Amino acid sequence: KAGVTQTPRYLIKTRGQQVTLSCSPISGHRSVSWYQQTPGQGLQFLFEYFSETQRNKGNFPGRFSGRQFSNSRSEMNVSTLELGDSALYLCASSLAAAGADTQYFGPGTRLTVL
Amino acid sequence: QQQVKQSPQSLIVQKGGISIINCAYENTAFDYFPWYQQFPGKGPALLIAIRPDVSEKKEGRFTISFNKSAKQFSLHIMDSQPGDSATYFCAASPGNTPLVFGKGTRLSVIA
Repeated sequence: KAGVTQTPRYLIKTRGQQVTLSCSPISGHRSVSWYQQTPGQGLQFLFEYFSETQRNKGNFPGRFSGRQFSNSRSEMNVSTLELGDSALYLCASSLAAAGADTQYFGPGTRLTVL
Repeated sequence: QQQVKQSPQSLIVQKGGISIINCAYENTAFDYFPWYQQFPGKGPALLIAIRPDVSEKKEGRFTISFNKSAKQFSLHIMDSQPGDSATYFCAASPGNTPLVFGKGTRLSVIA
C-alpha cells in the first residue's frame, strides 16, 4: 500500500506570495491532518479534514487554509507569506478521525520564504 | 493544559546503553499516548503507543512506561544502536481531537 505522498517536496517563495501544498493520503484513509514543524516550536497542528469537512483547527492565522476533496486528497494554502512561515509542512492521514486512530505521516514539504 | 512537556531536548547514549526520554502532561482527558520516531528528511513514524489502562508496553527494544497518577510517561530504548539515532516525539490525545506533540528529543547513539 502506498504511503502518504506530499508535493512538492521543496519550495522557495518570497514574502507576500502565496503557496499551495498537496497531500495524498493512504488509500481508504478519510482523515487528513496538517502540521507545521519548526526547530523552535516542534510539531504544531494546523487543521484536520475528515470527509471533506474541517473537523479541527489549530491556532494559526487565517492566512492558513485548507480543503479536502471527495477522493480525500487535501491541499493547504498559505497566503501573504511571511519569513516565519518557513518550515516543514507535514501531512498525516488516518482511517478514522485524528486522535482516535494511528496517524501516518508523509515526508513533508520544506517551504523556504525569502 | 494542552501541553505535553518532553525532556531532555537532546541525548547522547553509548551503543548498547539505555536511552530514556520523558514526557509529562496536565490534561487528564488524554487517553492515547504514542511515540513517534523521525529521521532526517522523513516524516515522523509511529514507534509504539499506550493507553492508560496499562502501566507498561513493550515492543522489541522499545518500552513505554506510563504513570497515570504522576501524569508522566516515558520511552526506554534498550540496547541502543547507532541506527536508533533520530528525533523522538511523544504525543497525547483525548481521543477525539488531534495529537498534541512534545517538542522532541534528538537522540545520538555513539559507538
